[in-house]
Formats: sequence, C-alpha cells, structure tokens
Amino acid sequence: GAVVSQHPSRVICKSGTSVKIECRSLDFQATTMFWYRQFPKKSLMLMATSNEGSKATYEQGVEKDKFLINHASLTLSTLTVTSAHPEDSSFYICSARGYLAGPYNEQFFGPGTRLTVL
Amino acid sequence: KQEVTQIPAALSVPEGENLVLNCSFTDSAIYNLQWFRQDPGKGLTSLLLIQSSQREQTSGRLNASLDKSSGRSTLYIAASQPGDSATYLCAVIVNTDKLIFGTGTRLQVFP
Repeated sequence: GAVVSQHPSRVICKSGTSVKIECRSLDFQATTMFWYRQFPKKSLMLMATSNEGSKATYEQGVEKDKFLINHASLTLSTLTVTSAHPEDSSFYICSARGYLAGPYNEQFFGPGTRLTVL
Repeated sequence: KQEVTQIPAALSVPEGENLVLNCSFTDSAIYNLQWFRQDPGKGLTSLLLIQSSQREQTSGRLNASLDKSSGRSTLYIAASQPGDSATYLCAVIVNTDKLIFGTGTRLQVFP
C-alpha cells in the first residue's frame, strides 16, 4: 500500500515551453502533497506544500508564478513549470500524505521526474 | 534554521562490513526522523522512521538510533551487501509537515 506515481518519468523540452508533471496517490487519499527539487548530487529541497482544494504554500525563494501547483483532487497534484529555461533542469519528486497512508504523518514518495530543458 | 548534515559524504567498503552512517541536526525540536535510500536517478525508499519519543528502530539488517538532545542519529547496516549500494538520506520532520533533508551519504559496497 501507499504507492505514489509520477508521470512522466523523464521529459525533454525546448526553452520557453511549459511542462506539466503529475503526481498521483494510487491506493490512498492524499490530503497533502509536497513537491521537491533535487539538483545533481545534492539533497532534496522542498518547493511547496499543497492541500487538496486550496492554494499551495511555497517555500521562500520559490517563484509561484514559475512553478504552478494544482491539487484538485485527493489523488492528483500537478506541477507545471512555465516558460522553462535550462536552469529549471532538475529532478522533481513529489510525496503524498493522507489519513490512511501510514502513521506518524509519514510521507510517501513518487519515483521522480527528470526534466531537461534545452 | 534547521540544518541537517551527514557524514561521511561518500563511503566505499568491501562486502560483509558493518557500517555506521551519521546524521546530525542543529535544532532538537523535531517530530520524527526518517532514513531513506535513493538509487541513482530514482525516487526515495523509506527505510526507517523514528518518532521523537523513541530511541531506535530496527528493520532487518538496519538499525537507526536517535539522540534528540545531542542532535544526532545513526544508521547501522550489518553485513553489508553490494545491493546496499545507494545514497542514504536522513530527514528530520518539523511542524508535522516539513521534511528537511540531509546532504546524503553515497555508499558503495564492492564484492
């Protein structure tokens, strides 16, 4: 149980285009989803927290107009990187937490999405 | 500001050795501490979660300890195997929501 998927796993796009990444909780209802970014050989940095049906809360330094987050249902959150540039190239990982996902407010992580902007 | 540091940054050992990975955090006001494994280009696999009131957790060949007062946690891996090769991340959980990750330890176990 407590499986989180991401789609796509890998995307290459041209500079200036927008890219949407989906995060789904497959076997539980995710009341809260989190989006992280990971640079090569670096640790994960929290970008934003989203609760179902409300606006995302962004971490300091993260541009909310650049990284649009939507959490429209209890099983789906999306991250849209708008007008992507090469510096947006990174590994994006989502996690999800729900009432039945596990004790201790545990977050369950997706497999990640590798974004490369040319 | 909470900062999480892991030592060593990289470790290469022969198969069969017992290992200790270290994690330290600057603010002892944490809810839980969690250890993860990450294979290259992949997501995270949760290994062990220790509640702030607990001292340790065990799963198979893995044992994690927590000393909140000193801001330290260790992950002990017994009888290491090549399949244990990965990056190990510790993360402290603050405010019931946020996970603050450490810098990671890249482990290589060679046959």
